[in-house]
Amino acid sequence: GQNIDQPTEMTATEGAIVQINCTYQTSGFNGLFWYQQHAGEAPTFLSYNVLDGLEEKGRFSSFLSRSKGYSYLLLKELQMKDSASYLCAVNSAAGNKLTFGGGTRVLVKP
Amino acid sequence: DAGVTQSPTHLIKTRGQHVTLRCSPISGHKSVSWYQQVLGQGPQFIFQYYEKEERGRGNFPDRFSARQFPNYSSELNVNALLLGDSALYLCASSTDRGQGGHNSPLHFGNGTRLTVT
Repeated sequence: GQNIDQPTEMTATEGAIVQINCTYQTSGFNGLFWYQQHAGEAPTFLSYNVLDGLEEKGRFSSFLSRSKGYSYLLLKELQMKDSASYLCAVNSAAGNKLTFGGGTRVLVKP
Repeated sequence: DAGVTQSPTHLIKTRGQHVTLRCSPISGHKSVSWYQQVLGQGPQFIFQYYEKEERGRGNFPDRFSARQFPNYSSELNVNALLLGDSALYLCASSTDRGQGGHNSPLHFGNGTRLTVT
């Protein structure tokens, strides 16, 4: 079966750094995605990792370790607008059929 | 460029009825996927279509069906609605062929919120 775990909720202060962990156990692996979803809106693409290591995109970075079945999303210099749910998703088969975790709701406080 | 568009945005149905949800992909995207997102959970894969062919099906009952048209738009149909079908239905498009050739990110629409009473 497919299993993706991420914390339910995290709280951080504006300007700080938050790290959202994601562990996965899937029957195959063809890449890991992170999406951001504001309440009532569509998920929007943040990052993609298929090889081990760190991918940096401005204030957001994502890390992958395939041997450990582990990824994290790092959000730096937090802003109030970063308050949202962050979804970890694994592409475990051919094509883009993603298995999503339950999402981590991040609340940024002033 | 217009993003993925879905209609309707909200829908209220009663148990036993059927519903048709519609999706128009981003221009140039030939792959359309459907996901169900129950409140407080991550999206769950229902179907993927590419060039009018079904490329994948998730763990959903036969009451769920879909199709893709020559213009790459898509419909999701759900028959004999149950209370548990209440959810946000997300459509996503991508350039991915559905055969693992490459990974292009899914671009999601804003969804159709279905309430079954």
